[in-house]
Amino acid sequence: EAEVAQSPRYKITEKSQAVAFWCDPISGHATLYWYRQILGQGPELLVQFQDESVVDDSQLPKDRFSAERLKGVDSTLKIQPAELGDSAMYLCASSLTRTGSPLHFGNGTRLTVT
Amino acid sequence: DAKTTQPTSMDCAEGRAANLPCNHSTISGNEYVYWYRQIHSQGPQYIIHGLKNNETNEMASLIITEDRKSSTLILPHATLRDTAVYYCILQNSNSGYALNFGKGTSLLVTP
Repeated sequence: EAEVAQSPRYKITEKSQAVAFWCDPISGHATLYWYRQILGQGPELLVQFQDESVVDDSQLPKDRFSAERLKGVDSTLKIQPAELGDSAMYLCASSLTRTGSPLHFGNGTRLTVT
Repeated sequence: DAKTTQPTSMDCAEGRAANLPCNHSTISGNEYVYWYRQIHSQGPQYIIHGLKNNETNEMASLIITEDRKSSTLILPHATLRDTAVYYCILQNSNSGYALNFGKGTSLLVTP
């Protein structure tokens, strides 16, 4: 079964440094999501793409976070500068369409900011 | 957005059916009920979804009440590997069809 690929699996960085995460969705999936999950809580949506366009980034802290999906396939989420409170699991998901299609998640990138 | 209410935790003996309830009393007519689970240190895994009718697949069954105000996820023969956090989520157009996770139910399957 096809999977959503994410890298790196783990990342440790110092505060004020820049960090980037990469996601390769399932082939043919037009919709891509980035979620953040703090330990003990459910995932929270950061940004949603339809092909290369941002559909919803209302929960993305735009002063330090950015996301792109230039060719409508893979995507990168960047944080600059990282803060201690950014320590979390960053999850990528994709779906075939926006409506009525299940989201398929990758196994995430565990970020630790020291 | 419509919300769901789930018990914080549940236990189930291995080999028995696990019945996980979810209340969604403010659900609207075009909202789907989705169930996901998350095993420690992995991404959420899709289980099943439905609109009005009961649904069954190789993993589980989803029973939705006639008024659609609640649903139950049934794992017919729970195994130790079913120990996970289970999320009941409503998908609607107000959120751009993205899924808004709550805290879910932590299911512990015991030997």
